[in-house]
Amino acid sequence: EVQLVESGGGLVQPGRSLRLSCAASGFTFDDYPMTWVRQAPGKGLEWVGFSRSKAYGGTIQYAASVRGRFTVSRDGSKSIAYLDMNSLKTEDTAVYYCARGLQNSNCLDFWGQGTLVTVSS
Amino acid sequence: DIQVTQSPSTLSASVGDRVTITCRASQSISSWLAWYQQKPGKAPKLLIYKASTLQSGVPSRFSGSGSGTEFTLTINSLQPDDFATYYCQQYSSYATFGQGTNVEIK
Repeated sequence: EVQLVESGGGLVQPGRSLRLSCAASGFTFDDYPMTWVRQAPGKGLEWVGFSRSKAYGGTIQYAASVRGRFTVSRDGSKSIAYLDMNSLKTEDTAVYYCARGLQNSNCLDFWGQGTLVTVSS
Repeated sequence: DIQVTQSPSTLSASVGDRVTITCRASQSISSWLAWYQQKPGKAPKLLIYKASTLQSGVPSRFSGSGSGTEFTLTINSLQPDDFATYYCQQYSSYATFGQGTNVEIK
């Protein structure tokens, strides 16, 4: 059974950093792209970033709103995807989801339960 | 960046109704479009990908159509479990979600 479990969310002050983790199980992690999506309270979904599978070079893409502040990475030996968030702003407050990509794309067939990040002083 | 415009933002319907949601892309995305369903407090669930391919386990009352810049999600005979928010997503270039459509009970 495919499972994605996010952790690392919490309350953080503006300007500080936070690392989110997404532990994957039930599939061969290195064969799939992994994506981060966020949802601000009461708002819609926003694509954050994406790392391709190892087979496709592991390249990474970011949304313009987070480029230069957020870093997507992955550890195949542990089957964990990471989202490192720096210089956090109040507008980064959201539930952050990790999700598995279908057929090397940003089409997302399995999602984690999400972890809430609150940026506030 | 490719923009995606979804309509309507809210749709009131009754059990048994046929409902249609529209998604328009700012440029051609071929068939690289997905539809998701989200219920309050839950993660989104993939319903349809590549514009018209039903994800495994999704009831056949859901269907998708379109290509290029115009797409539709149709739910035939709306069921109580279908009241939720629906999002389209283009994945031709990076990814962009539509604003969402809240399907509520009439």
